[in-house]
Amino acid sequence: DQQVKQNSPSLSVQEGRISILNCDYTNSMFDYFLWYKKYPAEGPTFLISISSIKDKNEDGRFTVFLNKSAKHLSLHIVPSQPGDSAVYFCAAKRGQGAQKLVFGQGTRLTINP
Amino acid sequence: DTGVSQDPRHKITKRGQNVTFRCDPISEHNRLYWYRQTLGQGPEFLTYFQNEAQLEKSRLLSDRFSAERPKGSFSTLEIQRTEQGDSAMYLCASSFREPTDTQYFGPGTRLTVL
Repeated sequence: DQQVKQNSPSLSVQEGRISILNCDYTNSMFDYFLWYKKYPAEGPTFLISISSIKDKNEDGRFTVFLNKSAKHLSLHIVPSQPGDSAVYFCAAKRGQGAQKLVFGQGTRLTINP
Repeated sequence: DTGVSQDPRHKITKRGQNVTFRCDPISEHNRLYWYRQTLGQGPEFLTYFQNEAQLEKSRLLSDRFSAERPKGSFSTLEIQRTEQGDSAMYLCASSFREPTDTQYFGPGTRLTVL
């Protein structure tokens, strides 16, 4: 039962352009969402989060959009840089203070010079 | 702040052996989590501690797995009678109760069971 899904295993984007990573969820009880970035041989690094009371959150080059009715969120990176090449995971949980994170399968982003 | 650390980073063992991993959380964090990640998948929750109390365990955590956090600081995850299916990356994360309770991950321990 995959409650959080990232349907694109990989994405290739030219340097300087926008990268859009997508994530869908099925559990309507999820109300807090996070994006993590993972380089090889390292643990996931927290990037940005969003509460279900918002539909957008920005932090520098990273913006997360949440569409609750569609149970869909996306991460926009603009402009994309070579150092953004990594695997990106979306994660969800029930409540901001809740404990267990449920992760998607990840999307490998490659930024081409 | 040195971040979450895990030891060892890599472990190769033979089927049937016991292994133990250690996690040192960020010093002021009172919550500690263990996850397991297999190839091509996202991390899967195993268990969670608040201080020294183990408050939640996944059904993935069979009776061969045990986790402890004896003094509310570092934690250990032991796997008894390892099986080839236990081969995975074992990730530890910690957090401090705040409005968002963001979890910060360590580098992981990669276990290979031969």
